[in-house]
This record gives sequence, structure tokens and C-alpha cells, in this order.
Amino acid sequence: GQNIDQPTEMTATEGAIVQINCTYQTSGFNGLFWYQQHAGEAPTFLSYNVLDGLEEKGRFSSFLSRSKGYSYLLLKELQMKDSASYLCAVRDRDYKLSFGAGTTVTVRA
Amino acid sequence: GAVVSQHPSRVICKSGTSVKIECRSLDFQATTMFWYRQFPKQSLMLMATSNEGSKATYEQGVEKDKFLINHASLTLSTLTVTSAHPEDSSFYICSASNLQGTEAFFGQGTRLTVV
Repeated sequence: GQNIDQPTEMTATEGAIVQINCTYQTSGFNGLFWYQQHAGEAPTFLSYNVLDGLEEKGRFSSFLSRSKGYSYLLLKELQMKDSASYLCAVRDRDYKLSFGAGTTVTVRA
Repeated sequence: GAVVSQHPSRVICKSGTSVKIECRSLDFQATTMFWYRQFPKQSLMLMATSNEGSKATYEQGVEKDKFLINHASLTLSTLTVTSAHPEDSSFYICSASNLQGTEAFFGQGTRLTVV
């Protein structure tokens, strides 16, 4: 199975940068995903990493180190609408996703 | 990009009745879909893996006779909550991946309230 850890809450100022870390232990790694979820809504896909390194997508970037069991999601130029829960999810060889508890990011003016 | 559509978005039912939730992949074929449940302020928990043309695979602790899954075509999976009870009230979400496996999309979710 997977054991996924991420911080519970983070607060940052509009326009700033926030980095959300995720560590995992897995019995069969087959990719790591980051999702954004607003309250009462379904998760929205943000990024996918399967090889080591940085993937950049606009204001969002995600990094993976498989040897360290570590990933982070970087949010740049924070906007108020970025206030949400961010979920780290690890996929196994059966294509099942296991989710971390989520990190609630609050963006303040 | 690929889209997964889930219906209904909200449903209220009486205790003891059954509710069917549909999950459709709109522009790609999904041989496998997944059903998750999410309680308030908690993360998503995998309930079962829906396999096209064969029986679903349930996670430990999930009753297969209570949560019936049918995946009759490459674009549709259904979850039926049978004999619903108030403790089944939750947010149910389906997901499917594109063929390359590089993206995993979620449906809009179904908020089930059993009264």
C-alpha cells in the first residue's frame, strides 16, 4: 500500500509563492498526481510526474524524486482563487490512486 | 482533454431505497474506472475498481452487495447504493485515466444524502 504525508494547512499572501511537500512510501510506484479541490467540488487535475525532475505548467510546477519518495507542488503568483485543498496522490501498478489527506492553502490579501 | 461526466450531482433519498450513480467517459474509452468516497474534511478513499466486462474489485471493508458496480461498456460505469442508510451519506466520485495513463480525471461528484 501507500503511506502519503503532506502538511495540513498553509497560509500565504497574494502574489507570493507556496511550496507544498508530499512524501510517500509505496509498494509499487506508477506515477504521482497533484489535484486541486475546492470545498464541495470534485478534484481538478493539476499535474503528473512519473520520472524524476520538474514539470512546469503555467503558475504551477511539480517536482518528483523517486529515490527520496518526495514530491512538491509549487504555486507561483498566488491568487485568491488558489485558496483550496491540494491533494497529493500516488498511483500503483494497478492504476489505483491513494490520496494524502490534503493541504488546505489559504491565500490572504 | 479527456472529460469524465458524473450524474446526478446531488440526490436525496429515503432510508432503505436504492440510488444509481452514472459515470461516463465522454471522449475516450476507459476499460477501468474507479469509485471513491469522501467524507467531510477527509481525503478520498478508494471503494472499488470497475472493470469493463468483468466483476468489480472492491477494497477491504467495502460491501460489494451494498455498492453494486456495473461497467457494461467502455464509456459507462454505474454505482448503485442499495438499501441506503444515513451513514451512506457522502460525496461519491468516479475517475478514469486516459489511455497513456498520463492524466487521471474525476467526475463532478455526487452528493448523496440519505434521510
